[in-house]
Amino acid sequence: DIQMTQSPSSLSASVGDRVTITCRASQSISNYLNWYQQKPGKAPKLLIYTSSNLQGGVPSRFSGSGSGTDFTLTISCLQPEDFASYYCQQSHSTPLTFGGGTKVEIK
Amino acid sequence: EVQLVESGGGLVQPGGSLRLSCAASGFSFDSYWMSWVRQAPGRGLEWVAQINQDGSVKYYVDSVKGRFTISRDNAKNSLFLQMNSLTAEDTAVYYCARDHIVGATNFDDWGQGTLVTVSS
Repeated sequence: DIQMTQSPSSLSASVGDRVTITCRASQSISNYLNWYQQKPGKAPKLLIYTSSNLQGGVPSRFSGSGSGTDFTLTISCLQPEDFASYYCQQSHSTPLTFGGGTKVEIK
Repeated sequence: EVQLVESGGGLVQPGGSLRLSCAASGFSFDSYWMSWVRQAPGRGLEWVAQINQDGSVKYYVDSVKGRFTISRDNAKNSLFLQMNSLTAEDTAVYYCARDHIVGATNFDDWGQGTLVTVSS
């Protein structure tokens, strides 16, 4: 199974900050990496698919990059509605696996 | 508008069974792979099972193989998860997720989730 490791597990940031979350796969997954946002009590929402493609309706302040084993989600200018948990997920092979999540909290 | 509405969750005793349903609307259901994803209380996301468009291909996470069965009824735009031999470790919110048509998996629409609690 492919293990997905996210870091940090949590971070505190202020509105307007640039935030970077990393995700590392235990083996190469090419660009088969998706990112989701989840707010408390809500279903996850797809932000980025295949590493760098912005899902429709997602603000352009979100971006993704990486290939192979190392990936990054960047929020260029944090907004109040971005305080949430973020998960990466590999779609290279089953079992499909998620990272442990990163909780972005208000500083 | 895409809608996925799960039902069938509840409290069940260890060793018991439960059948989850997901009613889909607003898209061509029989064109998409579909998946179930769960989230234990206070924990992260875990993919559970996946099924292709005509139900002929199914994949499961190891922890549910032999106990859970994913199925679909395209005529009724419905996805199902039959869960048997439930344990406390299966306690979670279960989400129905729209998967892909072709190419790589991504879950671009999700239901609101249904809570399954396994406890005596």
